[in-house]
Order: sequence, then C-alpha cells, then structure tokens
Amino acid sequence: GAVVSQHPSWVICKSGTSVKIECRSLDFQATTMFWYRQFPKQSLMLMATSNEGSKATYEQGVEKDKFLINHASLTLSTLTVTSAHPEDSSFYICSARARRGGIDTQYFGPGTRLTVL
Amino acid sequence: GDSVTQMEGPVTLSEEAFLTINCTYTATGYPSLFWYVQYPGEGLQLLLKATKADDKGSNKGFEATYRKETTSFHLEKGSVQVSDSAVYFCALSDQSQGSGNTGKLIFGQGTTLQVKP
Repeated sequence: GAVVSQHPSWVICKSGTSVKIECRSLDFQATTMFWYRQFPKQSLMLMATSNEGSKATYEQGVEKDKFLINHASLTLSTLTVTSAHPEDSSFYICSARARRGGIDTQYFGPGTRLTVL
Repeated sequence: GDSVTQMEGPVTLSEEAFLTINCTYTATGYPSLFWYVQYPGEGLQLLLKATKADDKGSNKGFEATYRKETTSFHLEKGSVQVSDSAVYFCALSDQSQGSGNTGKLIFGQGTTLQVKP
C-alpha cells in the first residue's frame, strides 16, 4: 500500500506557458500532500504544504502566484507552474502524508521532470 | 531548529562490501527517523523508519538503529550489491501531537552510493 503517482513523468514546454502536474494517492486518502523541488545532485527543497480543502502553505521564498497548488480531494493535489521560464526547469516531486500505527510517514511520487525551453 | 547531517559522498564500494552511511540529527521534540532511497531519475522510496529510541528499522538487508544518546541513525548493510547504487537520504519528522505537528520532513543532504562489480 501507500502508492503515490505523478503525471506527467516529464514535460517540455515553451517559455511563458503554464504546466500542471498532478499528484495522486492511489490506495489511501491524504489530507496533506507536499511539493518539493530538486536540483541535480542536491537534496529536496520543500516548496509548499498542500492541505485538502484549504489554501496551501508556502515556504519562504516560494512565489505562491507562480506555483499554484490546489488540493481539491483527499487523493489529488495539483501544482501549476504559471508562465514558466527556463529557470523553473527542475525535478518536481510530491509526497502524501499517511498516518499508520500512530506515525506520520510521507510516501513519494516518482517525480516530474520539467524542461522549459 | 531541527536538522539532519549526513556523511558526504560519494561512497564507492565493491560488491559484497559492508556499508555504513552516517546520519546524525538535532531535534527539540520526539522525532521519527527515516531513510529514503532515490534511484536515478526517480522519486524517493521509503527504505526504513524508526519511531523511538532504540528502535531498529530494517528492510532489504539495510538496517538502522535510533540512538538517542548519540542522536544518530546510521544506515548499515552487510553486503552491498550493484543494484544498491543510489542516493540515500536520512530524514526526521516531528511526531508531536497537536496543531504544531506539520508533518514536514527535514532531510539531510543525501549520500551517493556507488557499488562496483
């Protein structure tokens, strides 16, 4: 159990366009999902916490108007990169929080490689 | 604030060698500790976890013991395989009850393991 999917797995877009990435928890419900960004050979940088039915909480330095997060259901969160530019090219990873045996554990999606030309 | 420090890599070993990746942490609460593994081009997979002092997490031949006295959670494997080549992340999560628990993970910087045949 605890499978998280992301779609698409990779996307190439032109500068100025918007890209939507979906994160789904396939076999459990997640009231909280997280969005991370990872640069080559680096650790994960938390961008925002997505809570079902409420506004996302963004980390310091992350532009909320650029990275729109919607958590419309207990199994789906979306990240939309608006007006993408080459510097937004990165590996975006989501995770879903599950409470098992009284312990919070995050389960990660396979990631989405975004390339902005 | 809470933090995680991992040994720097890359760690290069021959197949069947013994593996240790050091991880130490600082935390004010009662964290749970995790090891995640990331294979090239993929998201993170939960490898093992421990929720309280002296707990040992184990999976796929890997193990780590939650040592509160030394604030450590070192990852070990008795005999590595080429297929273990990946980046390993140590992480902690505050498991305290109440609204202060954000469920956020604090990651170490990651350690690259290269296993040669």
